[in-house]
Amino acid sequence: GQQLNQSPQSMFIQEGEDVSMNCTSSSIFNTWLWYKQDPGEGPVLLIALYKAGELTSNGRLTAQFGITRKDSFLNISASIPSDVGIYFCAGPNFGNEKLTFGTGTRLTIIP
Amino acid sequence: KAGVTQTPRYLIKTRGQQVTLSCSPISGHRSVSWYQQTPGQGLQFLFEYFSETQRNKGNFPGRFSGRQFSNSRSEMNVSTLELGDSALYLCASSADSAGELFFGEGSRLTVL
Repeated sequence: GQQLNQSPQSMFIQEGEDVSMNCTSSSIFNTWLWYKQDPGEGPVLLIALYKAGELTSNGRLTAQFGITRKDSFLNISASIPSDVGIYFCAGPNFGNEKLTFGTGTRLTIIP
Repeated sequence: KAGVTQTPRYLIKTRGQQVTLSCSPISGHRSVSWYQQTPGQGLQFLFEYFSETQRNKGNFPGRFSGRQFSNSRSEMNVSTLELGDSALYLCASSADSAGELFFGEGSRLTVL
């Protein structure tokens, strides 16, 4: 089945730093989604991408749909404490799954 | 507008028992999906229900089952629990099968 690999697996940064993470797929996707999961909560949709090459922003977050349609990138500028959590990429599976989720990137902000 | 509600939030069971988890979707949403989240495997799709019919199913054994009622509320059941079933079980609803998923807070199951 499809696999989504995210990197890095974890990040330790200082408040104010910019963050970059990416997601690669073994298959072509027509949609890329980025979710964030806070501790003790379910994932929440941050950004949705529907077109190869698309660049979309949501506040300090910017995500891009890779030209090859096999990857996507998420950037967070000027990180703040509430950015802490796990970030997941996801895409619809053409098989029998609703959404395939990536392995996640855990973001920690060092005081 | 109330979000997705899952009950119970936490539960502890022993091996061999069975468990039923409940999910109330956002009002008006007809699609309910279930995911299992573990540290080692991440978010794994269990199944999706739409208008009381199972539309999609992930690669889980038959011990995992679900159903959806006419009011779109859904339940999932795990029989003959194993230690490896310990996980956070997340329910997500969407207006239709292709719509954005809205997740509940999850039910955390611990199997001893």
